[in-house]
Amino acid sequence: DTAVSQTPKYLVTQMGNDKSIKCEQNLGHDTMYWYKQDSKKFLKIMFSYNNKELIINETVPNRFSPKSPDKAHLNLHINSLELGDSAVYFCASSQGGLANHHYEQYFGPGTRLTVT
Amino acid sequence: KNQVEQSPQSLIILEGKNCTLQCNYTVSPFSNLRWYKQDTGRGPVSLTIMTFSENTKSNRRYTATLDADTKQSSLHITASQLSDSASYICVVSRMDSNYQLIWGAGTKLIIKP
Repeated sequence: DTAVSQTPKYLVTQMGNDKSIKCEQNLGHDTMYWYKQDSKKFLKIMFSYNNKELIINETVPNRFSPKSPDKAHLNLHINSLELGDSAVYFCASSQGGLANHHYEQYFGPGTRLTVT
Repeated sequence: KNQVEQSPQSLIILEGKNCTLQCNYTVSPFSNLRWYKQDTGRGPVSLTIMTFSENTKSNRRYTATLDADTKQSSLHITASQLSDSASYICVVSRMDSNYQLIWGAGTKLIIKP
């Protein structure tokens, strides 16, 4: 009965590899997000999808590509991984987009990515 | 520059005591301010969302205040419990075309028995 789930929870890989992180929400929300939390603990939004359409891309390198097969899933694919990609990646969802003042974002447990 | 600054960076208090966390922001134009609780190894969980017209909002033992004139917010925790140990993050939403969220670095709170 987990609301927002992510897999895997931990991911260790080498530079240059391609990897994917999966996210699913069972809340019936129409907007999903990907965030990156760096070592200083700041969360930075990477992407937002509303009804399967990209509505935010915060100058993320094009090595990162979100894929939303349906509104309950938003996967993150990363090509040619670099050391600086090491971080915790959080998926989140909400009912309504960011313009809805009272929306709440529900976050997944995070995926800790380590690039060696 | 749109920024959210929180203080203190970390705080240790004894179980049962109260504490207040601070958030100052320079985000403009302002849409709303949120407080999140993030347990170690978990995703953030929303505590409160406050718009411009709201000065105080409570959620169980958490009380958030907002002074939109001075651009300050506080989160007061009453009768702390061990489970309150977490990072508390202040987030301000900017009223632009994307309603950009500006995240603070958080205050790490440790409750000791």
